[in-house]
Amino acid sequence: AQKITQTQPGMFVQEKEAVTLDCTYDTSDQSYGLFWYKQPSSGEMIFLIYQGSYDEQNATEGRYSLNFQKARKSANLVISASQLGDSAMYFCAMRGSGTYKYIFGTGTRLKVLA
Amino acid sequence: EPEVTQTPSHQVTQMGQEVILRCVPISNHLYFYWYRQILGQKVEFLVSFYNNEISEKSEIFDDQFSVERPDGSNFTLKIRSTKLEDSAMYFCASSAVGGYMNTEAFFGQGTRLTVV
Repeated sequence: AQKITQTQPGMFVQEKEAVTLDCTYDTSDQSYGLFWYKQPSSGEMIFLIYQGSYDEQNATEGRYSLNFQKARKSANLVISASQLGDSAMYFCAMRGSGTYKYIFGTGTRLKVLA
Repeated sequence: EPEVTQTPSHQVTQMGQEVILRCVPISNHLYFYWYRQILGQKVEFLVSFYNNEISEKSEIFDDQFSVERPDGSNFTLKIRSTKLEDSAMYFCASSAVGGYMNTEAFFGQGTRLTVV
């Protein structure tokens, strides 16, 4: 069975600082994908970044980077230079091989302070 | 930029009534999904759909639920006899390719279903 764990229900960060949102996962699959989504207060789910299990480099997308540590089964999201608009719920998700579904964690609510 | 659209954005229904939630996935996508999110909680997988049939479903997706792709563009979720616990945000999603783990799913803005 696959599982995503996000242990930080809420986080605060000062504007312009970097923040790390934790995500650990559990799977017996050799091949899998890890995703981060942002859910602002308006409710939609916005795809941010992807990391494949065989990717040797950590993924980056603009101010978002993924700190992938395969041996520790962690895929933490790093947001650099936080902005007020980054305040939202952030979900880590995984998709394994042989399945169509994406499994989500419980999310971390990030609040950026001015 | 292409997007997944869902209608209505909010639906209120009486317990026991049937509801149909509608979605228009991104036009060249082949894999479609329904997820739900009970207020403030985790996003739960309901069902995936490919080639006009269900490819995978969760234990939540019981006989009260059904999905359909009635034409080339719409993808619907029907709940036959709604219960109070069906109140949630329902998300439709689509992806271009289903067989690869590196394909992100694109989500619609959600339909908030309230059962009273």
